[in-house]
Amino acid sequence: GAGVSQSPSNKVTEKGKDVELRCDPISGHTALYWYRQSLGQGLEFLIYFQGNSAPDKSGLPSDRFSAERTGGSVSTLTIQRTQQEDSAVYLCASSLASGGDTQYFGPGTRLTVL
Amino acid sequence: EDQVTQSPEALRLQEGESSSLNCSYTVSGLRGLFWYRQDPGKGPEFLFTLYSAGEEKEKERLKATLTKKESFLHITAPKPEDSATYLCAVIMDTGRRALTFGSGTRLQVQP
Repeated sequence: GAGVSQSPSNKVTEKGKDVELRCDPISGHTALYWYRQSLGQGLEFLIYFQGNSAPDKSGLPSDRFSAERTGGSVSTLTIQRTQQEDSAVYLCASSLASGGDTQYFGPGTRLTVL
Repeated sequence: EDQVTQSPEALRLQEGESSSLNCSYTVSGLRGLFWYRQDPGKGPEFLFTLYSAGEEKEKERLKATLTKKESFLHITAPKPEDSATYLCAVIMDTGRRALTFGSGTRLQVQP
């Protein structure tokens, strides 16, 4: 079946602009995660959604970052007033449930802030 | 603080030269340990999940093992197409559901 999809694959923006990144999880997966991968920083957790529960936002680096998940499926990560340090690859993953279930990753969105 | 440490950072092998990658973890309670492979410009690709000490998983030339303190990814007779970054990650048994990743091992297999 189809895997996790993300769009756009690449996004170049100017400092101070807002961006929206989209994630379509694997059908039937109830848990959805956003991670960020930066050079020298490795993969770091941003936010996690599980069903209708309140999201775990503990990894968001600042209040410029927010995410929502509509209808328990598609998720959008929004970065407001982008800064150069926001440049990174943003990865989305989904899993059947939130316990120790395997997370499957999408191809990522490469964000470049000029 | 919970940590995941991978070694070596980089490894260069000749085709057919077997070796092992290490992932050591200091977590308060392990719920699961995961190995991923990542090719340049792509998202991590799932390889294995290990849940308890003594467990082993195998797939083609790869074999993952788990002890109470570390995991090994053994690569037997590697081929150039095995070249990639191998990532280890854990989920702790403390409620947090996100993966905590190591920094990865960059493997290059030369023909």
